[in-house]
Amino acid sequence: EDQVTQSPEALRLQEGESSSLNCSYTVSGLRGLFWYRQDPGKGPEFLFTLYSAGEEKEKERLKATLTKKESFLHITAPKPEDSATYLCAVSSGSARQLTFGSGTQLTVLP
Amino acid sequence: NAGVTQTPKFQVLKTGQSMTLQCAQDMNHNSMYWYRQDPGMGLRLIYYSASEGTTDKGEVPNGYNVSRLNKREFSLRLESAAPSQTSVYFCASSGRGGVETQYFGPGTRLLVL
Repeated sequence: EDQVTQSPEALRLQEGESSSLNCSYTVSGLRGLFWYRQDPGKGPEFLFTLYSAGEEKEKERLKATLTKKESFLHITAPKPEDSATYLCAVSSGSARQLTFGSGTQLTVLP
Repeated sequence: NAGVTQTPKFQVLKTGQSMTLQCAQDMNHNSMYWYRQDPGMGLRLIYYSASEGTTDKGEVPNGYNVSRLNKREFSLRLESAAPSQTSVYFCASSGRGGVETQYFGPGTRLLVL
């Protein structure tokens, strides 16, 4: 059974204070690892897909990295508008089902 | 392109009542999904449809039924609602094949009293 654990559950940063979110996973044959952003009262918004260890992807202040056991979402010089819940998910086997972590709630204070 | 749309946005039911949640996508995707999201438990898959005419159970299918009406539409039905089904329901869709990125709708907030 695939398992995804995200840490920390909540993170408060000052504007400009860089940090990282962690996603640890256990799967039998990773096909892809996904990062989503979710704003309150809205559906998850796709950010990145990573396919193999060593892969990195960037978008504005966000950078996602992947190892064989975990993924990190690095946030560089965050702004208040980066405040959201960040979700990590993995796909394996049939690749049609995603297993999600519980998310990290990020708050960036001005 | 509206992407994935869901109706209604919010619903209150009494225990034992039935209702259908509607979902439609305009991205010509083959696969569609229904999830529920509860505090501290993440998103859990209820049912999915890999292609038009097929449906399969996910992690938490009990108490739900689905219909893949056509390529665009995928509905979720609660035949006899229970308080444990109070949740936020999300529909998603994905296309092509292989490792497919799923795109989500805005959600339906359901309260069962």
